[in-house]
Amino acid sequence: QVQLVESGGGVVQPGRSLRLSCAASGFNFRNYAMHWVRQAPGKGLEWVALISYDGSKKFYADSVKGRFTISRDNSKNTLFLQMSSLRTEDTAVFYCARDYGEVDFYYHMAVWGTGTTVTVSS
Amino acid sequence: QSALTQTPSASGSPGQSVTISCTGTNRDVGGYNYVSWYQQHPGKAPKLMIYEVKKRPSGVPDRFSGSKSGNTAFLTVSGLQPEDEADYYCSSYAGRNYLVFGGGTMLTVL
Repeated sequence: QVQLVESGGGVVQPGRSLRLSCAASGFNFRNYAMHWVRQAPGKGLEWVALISYDGSKKFYADSVKGRFTISRDNSKNTLFLQMSSLRTEDTAVFYCARDYGEVDFYYHMAVWGTGTTVTVSS
Repeated sequence: QSALTQTPSASGSPGQSVTISCTGTNRDVGGYNYVSWYQQHPGKAPKLMIYEVKKRPSGVPDRFSGSKSGNTAFLTVSGLQPEDEADYYCSSYAGRNYLVFGGGTMLTVL
């Protein structure tokens, strides 16, 4: 079945880096744009980043621009989020999500992973 | 880009209808028909319930409906059921490939 599984979360000190992965299965990964969305403890959802189906276009929320990099490896059906200069306010559950339709951007998240927790603390 | 505004809580009895609002600006909700609604149960991942303002993905009950008027979008849940108790988030395209979420509404089924 269609599935997204995130990994790579953990506890990291402020200022350090961390790379999240999202393994996709059950659908043609290379045809879909992908998102990262995060949720701080007890808070709402925050869109983080978006990447086109072929990786040629990348977009970021202002809160992470210049610190986070979204990428993908279509040969391995995997999405990544490289996070650097981490701050305590980046502490959150990070979800990867598949865009609704193929090739183009649809701006709706139709499939979600279960999330991976990132804690930034000294 | 500011978050969309949702009332923090809503409630209704089983069988009743409840409507949740999501207010933005003409640069997001009012400017595009890319409004979606997500349901999130505690400790679970969000689930897409409505997309493009009023379309339902396959498998979502027709008790869930969406609409929009000006800069405000609405999610109506008719015939409330206990399993509808959850947090609901709206989202909108805000131009330049940027997305914004609402702060969420906690729906309680009394």
